[in-house]
Amino acid sequence: EVQLVESGGGLVKPGGSLRLSCAASGFTFTNAWMSWVRQGPGKGLEWVGHIKSRRDGATTDYAGPVKGRFTISRDDSKNTLYLHMNSLKTEDTAMYFCAKRCTNGVCPYYHAMDVWGQGTTVTVSS
Amino acid sequence: DIQMTQSPSSLSASVGDRVIITCRASQNIGFYLNWYRQKPGKAPNLLIYAASTLQSGVPSRFGGSGSGADFTLTISSLQPEDFATYYCQQSFNTPRTFGQGTNLEI
Repeated sequence: EVQLVESGGGLVKPGGSLRLSCAASGFTFTNAWMSWVRQGPGKGLEWVGHIKSRRDGATTDYAGPVKGRFTISRDDSKNTLYLHMNSLKTEDTAMYFCAKRCTNGVCPYYHAMDVWGQGTTVTVSS
Repeated sequence: DIQMTQSPSSLSASVGDRVIITCRASQNIGFYLNWYRQKPGKAPNLLIYAASTLQSGVPSRFGGSGSGADFTLTISSLQPEDFATYYCQQSFNTPRTFGQGTNLEI
């Protein structure tokens, strides 16, 4: 079964740091482009960033509000994706989802996300 | 950044109804448009990619159309599990922005 399981969420004070993990199983993680998407309480979806597969350079890209504060990394030997969050702000409070780019047919060219984790909650509050 | 605007923001309908949700991009994005459904308390799931291609396993009552800057998601006959929030997302460039969502209510 293809599965993504996030962990590492919790309560953190403004200015603090947190690392989220996303454990992957059931597919070839090393070939997958992976993304983080967040959803504030009662709000819509917000793309946080992505990391390409190692064969595509493992480069990263980020949304403006998190650029310079968040870092996405991956450990292919552990089939795990990470989101390192620094200088956290109250507006970073959200459910954080990891997601995999689709691989069927031409879907990868459209960067749709076909497998999602259940999410992990991050609360930034004093 | 490309802005994505969905309409309506909320919609009331009944089982068996046909509904249409629209999504407009702030610039030409070709066919780089994906649709997701998010049930309450759950992660989103992919319905349509490339504006009109049904993702494997998604029921045929879902259909997508459009290109350039204007897109639609049509649900031909609403089922109980379709009462959820729907999001469009552009994948023309990064950041891969989402629409604000359309909440489909009974």
